[in-house]
Amino acid sequence: EAGVVQSPRYKIIEKKQPVAFWCNPISGHNTLYWYRQNLGQGPELLIRYENEEAVDDSQLPKDRFSAERLKGVDSTLKIQPAELGDSAVYLCASSLGQSDRGDEQFFGPGTRLTVL
Amino acid sequence: KQEVTQIPAALSVPEGENLVLNCSFTDSAIYNLQWFRQDPGKGLTSLLLIQSSQREQTSGRLNASLDKSSGRSTLYIAASQPGDSATYLCAVSTGANSKLTFGKGITLSVRP
Repeated sequence: EAGVVQSPRYKIIEKKQPVAFWCNPISGHNTLYWYRQNLGQGPELLIRYENEEAVDDSQLPKDRFSAERLKGVDSTLKIQPAELGDSAVYLCASSLGQSDRGDEQFFGPGTRLTVL
Repeated sequence: KQEVTQIPAALSVPEGENLVLNCSFTDSAIYNLQWFRQDPGKGLTSLLLIQSSQREQTSGRLNASLDKSSGRSTLYIAASQPGDSATYLCAVSTGANSKLTFGKGITLSVRP
């Protein structure tokens, strides 16, 4: 069974440029998550989708970050414009979404973003 | 606000040693606790998931326990191997949206 797929794996951009990350969850997983992981820290949730609906985006910096999950399958996270402090690893995860008490989450390999 | 602590931040042991990694959390009203492994430059690999009603889970040489009332979990690794070298993170699920809150992780080095 294929795991969570993310692309690109690495991205280097200059500040003020836009950038987008793509995620394809495990087949059949209704819940999709975007996390940001800074160096030496644990991941922090940015946004969570139940099918195509964003049910928790309280930690998403909405002035520059946006996300979408059209058709309730794959998802795109965008930053525009990027700032130096956005350098981090962006992780996508998915879960079955069958329990309102939290399912086991499965993570992709992440996209390492460097903003110069 | 839920806070998850993992101490120490790094640990180095000789091969073959049995070891325990600790995780503590401030809010005992959790739904579940999950242990992950992260290799350098890679994503997170789920190791074990313990539901709030469970006391422990086992997978191969790994055993995770949960004491919800005291806000603690341990990950026991038996007969450690160099291939176990990685960062181990614990995360707890709490709140209306079952949000995962992570610790900073423990970086384990197993010396041959």
